[in-house]
Amino acid sequence: KQEVTQIPAALSVPEGENLVLNCSFTDSAIYNLQWFRQDPGKGLTSLLLIQSSQREQTSGRLNASLDKSSGRSTLYIAASQPGDSATYLCALATSGTYKYIFGTGTRLKVLA
Amino acid sequence: DAGVTQSPTHLIKTRGQQVTLRCSPKSGHDTVSWYQQALGQGPQFIFQYYEEEERQRGNFPDRFSGHQFPNYSSELNVNALLLGDSALYLCASSLAASGRAVNEQYFGPGTRLTVT
Repeated sequence: KQEVTQIPAALSVPEGENLVLNCSFTDSAIYNLQWFRQDPGKGLTSLLLIQSSQREQTSGRLNASLDKSSGRSTLYIAASQPGDSATYLCALATSGTYKYIFGTGTRLKVLA
Repeated sequence: DAGVTQSPTHLIKTRGQQVTLRCSPKSGHDTVSWYQQALGQGPQFIFQYYEEEERQRGNFPDRFSGHQFPNYSSELNVNALLLGDSALYLCASSLAASGRAVNEQYFGPGTRLTVT
């Protein structure tokens, strides 16, 4: 059974810091992995999608990596800004299923 | 290009009542999935619809049912509401993948359901 864990659960950093959010999973037979941002009470905004055959994806200040052998994905945020404050969720689809399994998220607060 | 839309935005119901939530997928998408997100938790998969059929279901009771229409929009119905059904209900759309898999999902803003 696939399980997804995100550490840390919460993180508070000063503006300008580079930071790394972690996502661990137990079954390496994944089809793809997606990182989302969620503002309080809102829906999910897709940040990056990594296909099973890829090692990383980049968009602006965001970089996501995938290491299936170790069961880990990381989301790197460069030069953090107060506007980055949100909950970040990773979700993955295991091969042979139609559903995403989500982690519980990392609540990020970037202090001005 | 309209993204995924959901209605209503908020809903307050009483225990035992029934509720219907609606979702229109992103233009060009043919698959709709529904998720339940309790406060402080990650979304939990309810079910997915493709070609007007439910093709996978998560660990939710039969009180949760759905429908997909020929224009790919979808409804989520919950009967005999319980206090524990209070949550944010998210709809996600995607383009069907070849084989048993799921492509990139795009989420709507959600419907906040409160059961009193």
